[in-house]
Amino acid sequence: KNEVEQSPQNLTAQEGEFITINCSYSVGISALHWLQQHPGGGIVSLFMLSSGKKKHGRLIATINIQEKHSSLHITASHPRDSAVYICAVIGNQFYFGTGTSLTVIP
Amino acid sequence: DGGITQSPKYLFRKEGQNVTLSCEQNLNHDAMYWYRQDPGQGLRLIYYSQIVNDFQKGDIAEGYSVSREKKESFPLTVTSAQKNPTAFYLCASSREVGQGSDTQYFGPGTRLTVL
Repeated sequence: KNEVEQSPQNLTAQEGEFITINCSYSVGISALHWLQQHPGGGIVSLFMLSSGKKKHGRLIATINIQEKHSSLHITASHPRDSAVYICAVIGNQFYFGTGTSLTVIP
Repeated sequence: DGGITQSPKYLFRKEGQNVTLSCEQNLNHDAMYWYRQDPGQGLRLIYYSQIVNDFQKGDIAEGYSVSREKKESFPLTVTSAQKNPTAFYLCASSREVGQGSDTQYFGPGTRLTVL
């Protein structure tokens, strides 16, 4: 049983498309992270949020605590956005989703 | 520059040998973590440490050991008891453990292959 479920697992988009990645979780949380993992393996934290919405450049993250759901949106996608996006929630410990592999084609 | 370093990036070992993975941070964080990542699976917590000289088992601690003698350092030893050690290992740190307002910073990872 996975405490964090992401969809889709794999996503291919044309450059410029609007992209949405979803995350649902089943545990009580105090915050949720969206992480980006590049092909070399390094992980970068994109957002940490506990309510509402956050925006950074072309990235937008939203969370609905009542529905236990979060989305990561990428506007005007670019090939450099190609990476694995991981949803992680903080309850009594960290729980990680298996990631969404995004490929943006020029 | 503040950050987390892991070395080496790639590591090869023969079956039956113990191997130690290095993790160093200069972020002045109290909490440090070791995760294992396998293809198609999410990150899984091996061990974490909230403070110097203290550490706790995570979900998959069997076959691993850690030490936390200094705030900056949290080395992970993969012992010969670990049945399937080939994986990508990630070290992370945060100001405190279990704080919702805190984020984790990740190192670049070490890819261990046991031959």
